Amino acid sequence: GAGVSQSPSNKVTEKGKDVELRCDPISGHTALYWYRQSLGQGLEFLIYFQGNSAPDKSGLPSDRFSAERTGGSVSTLTIQRTQQEDSAVYLCASSFTSGRNYEQYFGPGTRLTVT
Amino acid sequence: QQPVQSPQAVILREGEDAVINCSSSKALYSVHWYRQKHGEAPVFLMILLKGGEQKGHEKISASFNEKKQQSSLYLTASQLSYSGTYFCGTEFGDDKIIFGKGTRLHILP
Repeated sequence: GAGVSQSPSNKVTEKGKDVELRCDPISGHTALYWYRQSLGQGLEFLIYFQGNSAPDKSGLPSDRFSAERTGGSVSTLTIQRTQQEDSAVYLCASSFTSGRNYEQYFGPGTRLTVT
Repeated sequence: QQPVQSPQAVILREGEDAVINCSSSKALYSVHWYRQKHGEAPVFLMILLKGGEQKGHEKISASFNEKKQQSSLYLTASQLSYSGTYFCGTEFGDDKIIFGKGTRLHILP
């Protein structure tokens, strides 16, 4: 693939429903990040996956949020019982390190609107 | 723990230079710099690891002063394409990145 892809690009859901957001990182990138950005706000780190290691989940905003990364590739971010404050753009990024070279690329984001 | 970015906003004429600072109250392991244009995803610019290194990317470079717990992003001979919001992200060795509130940069022709 040419870059990081995310799906869906837009999601409108009713308060209380569960949503699942998907991220396909660049092939060969071992690290994957999830961030979110509320309207007009800055970036908030959610979780980081490095290879097959178990991630530190303490950055997730609440226990309604969970994330998985299967086979060291595709990742899903699941939000249960969505609330209006969950409305934001959810961004995924993957990164590659080789020696002292490091590059990180973002996907286009999923815009989540909770009504 | 959120790093403090300064200035909050800056307006330049094309060709002028700018410096954006990112200060932490806690010892830094690394600093990431990003640029985001309105309605687009952020673009990674560079990462600096503790050790006081300086890195460059086109006419954009950055330094990392471990003692001052500060990183500075230098934009020289700014171009219209440099307009956007610049974020620094600080890491303290725990794989979490905490972002500053951003610096809005507007370049006038």
